[in-house]
Amino acid sequence: QTVVTQEPSFSVSPGGTVTLTCGLSSGSVSTSYYPSWYQQTPGQPPRTLVYSTNTRSSGVPDRFSGSILGNKAALTITGAQADDESDYHCVLYMGSGIWVFGGGTKLTVL
Amino acid sequence: QLQLQESGPGLVKPSETLSLTCTVSGGSINSINYYWGWIRQPPGKGLEWIGNIFYTGSSYPNPSLKGRVTMSLDTSKNQFSLKLSFVTAADTAVYYCVEVDSSYYGMDVWGQGTTVTVSS
Repeated sequence: QTVVTQEPSFSVSPGGTVTLTCGLSSGSVSTSYYPSWYQQTPGQPPRTLVYSTNTRSSGVPDRFSGSILGNKAALTITGAQADDESDYHCVLYMGSGIWVFGGGTKLTVL
Repeated sequence: QLQLQESGPGLVKPSETLSLTCTVSGGSINSINYYWGWIRQPPGKGLEWIGNIFYTGSSYPNPSLKGRVTMSLDTSKNQFSLKLSFVTAADTAVYYCVEVDSSYYGMDVWGQGTTVTVSS
């Protein structure tokens, strides 16, 4: 069974840059997996940040960017702010109408 | 602007069937541009994709849910629905309905979520 991997937690200093990744237990992530990224704060539904690897959703600031880095999808946050402290989820499209989420990354800004 | 709203019972007994409906406003579910999907989040855990349904009625359930998932569309009411049978405590979660772009496979619009507890 395919497992999508994310760092369980990460921390970044205010104003700093952090890159979160989304990988596969077996194989490499490519644009063909249409990786997308979602931000979630407690008690709220997820908010779409990036889809199709690197397309920002409407209203998302350009300090959030998506890419493929090596064999993983990546979400880079530049100029981290206090309200970026959230859970970040990635999901990959496996084809044949099947999606798989990663376990999520808890980002701390301190 | 597309909006989604989940509705359904907040409490379901073990072994029974969980039934949820998502009402779509600001757009038609009878569109080639979207899949309509369900995602859940158990307390304190990550997101789990449950399944999607296309405007044609073709459905794509998560294989890990072992045939317990049924999805349907009601175009007259602009709604889509989820049934999850033989529930256990492990099915306790916040359930979200979502719109998924059929070109870019991103989950564009999310409902606010509804909490379902499985307990006797």
